[in-house]
Amino acid sequence: KQEVTQIPAALSVPEGENLVLNCSFTDSAIYNLQWFRQDPGKGLTSLLLIQSSQREQTSGRLNASLDKSSGRSTLYIAASQPGDSATYLCAVPSYGSSNTGKLIFGQGTTLQVKP
Amino acid sequence: EAGVVQSPRYKIIEKKQPVAFWCNPISGHNTLYWYRQNLGQGPELLIRYENEEAVDDSQLPKDRFSAERLKGVDSTLKIQPAELGDSAVYLCASSLVSGGSYNEQFFGPGTRLTVL
Repeated sequence: KQEVTQIPAALSVPEGENLVLNCSFTDSAIYNLQWFRQDPGKGLTSLLLIQSSQREQTSGRLNASLDKSSGRSTLYIAASQPGDSATYLCAVPSYGSSNTGKLIFGQGTTLQVKP
Repeated sequence: EAGVVQSPRYKIIEKKQPVAFWCNPISGHNTLYWYRQNLGQGPELLIRYENEEAVDDSQLPKDRFSAERLKGVDSTLKIQPAELGDSAVYLCASSLVSGGSYNEQFFGPGTRLTVL
């Protein structure tokens, strides 16, 4: 059974700092990995999707890496801004025997960037 | 292009009352998901549709929850009767699935349900 863990659960940093969010998964046979952002009271916004054949993806100040063999992904945020304050979730598709394609989520890391 | 649309955004009901949520996926997306997100947790799948067929409803509490996706487009999720523990955010997502490959899932804004 696939399990996804995110550490830390919460993080507070001063504006301008570079930071790394961690995501680990127990079953390395993943098809892809997706990072989402969720603002309070809002839905999920997809930030980056890394296919299993890729090692990293970049979008602006965000860089996500994937190491399937170790069951880890990191989301690197450069030069953090107060507007980056949100909860960040990582998720992998679960296939198993039913091939459902449902996403298995971590519990998220709540980031606060202080001005 | 419009994203995933959900309504209502918020709903407050008393326990034992019925409630329904509506979702309109991104145009052309054949796969639709309903997830439930409890406070401080990641979303968990309730049901997944491929076109109009429910292909995974193993985590849907079928004694009180029901869902439908008529004509393979819009979907409705219903709870009857609601219980206090149903308070959560109900998220709808859609994606284009073809040839066994699973593409990016796009989420709607969610419906926040409070059961009193």
